[in-house]
Amino acid sequence: AQSVTQLDSQVPVFEEAPVELRCNYSSSVSVYLFWYVQYPNQGLQLLLKYLSGSTLVKSINGFEAEFNKSQTSFHLRKPSVHISDTAEYFCAVRKISSGSARQLTFGSGTQLTVLP
Amino acid sequence: EAGVTQFPSHSVIEKGQTVTLRCDPISGHDNLYWYRRVMGKEIKFLLHFVKESKQDESGMPNNRFLAERTGGTYSTLKVQPAELEDSGVYFCASSQRGSGNTEAFFGQGTRLTVV
Repeated sequence: AQSVTQLDSQVPVFEEAPVELRCNYSSSVSVYLFWYVQYPNQGLQLLLKYLSGSTLVKSINGFEAEFNKSQTSFHLRKPSVHISDTAEYFCAVRKISSGSARQLTFGSGTQLTVLP
Repeated sequence: EAGVTQFPSHSVIEKGQTVTLRCDPISGHDNLYWYRRVMGKEIKFLLHFVKESKQDESGMPNNRFLAERTGGTYSTLKVQPAELEDSGVYFCASSQRGSGNTEAFFGQGTRLTVV
């Protein structure tokens, strides 16, 4: 079984400041890692994912996350946030499997609020 | 291209009543998933369809929940009878059939409140 821990439920930060949203996972098997974002009144959207290869992955809107296997972490960072980044962010994992078990295991979410 | 669509967006029902949630996946997506988020907690997997077949329903909380996917297209999730603890946001997601790294696209969710 897999589990995901997002250590911070609420992260307030001022505009143009850097931010880090923490994510740790536990799994007995290898996993893919994801960050999803939910903007107000919208569905979940995939922000970025780690499947294999370079451990640093980036999104088109300036976020990046680094897979650290030894620490079982996949923290999300942005060097300078904007008001429009205000949203809830979910870390998730999925077992690497050729079989049918394709469901995601989510963390409890981190509400990022960017203050003017 | 239309995304994953869920109906209704909100539903308020009394304890003991029946509610049916609907999900229309992206056209051509064989995989369809239901998830639920109880207030403030993590989003939890309920079940997974491949076309019209239930591939995994290990996350369904109890037999008051019934999911169907007629003809491998849209899916419904019925709660009968509803209990207070069923309140939460129900998400549907779909993905193409293929290797395990295909992206799952989510709907906006249905917020269910049982009073």
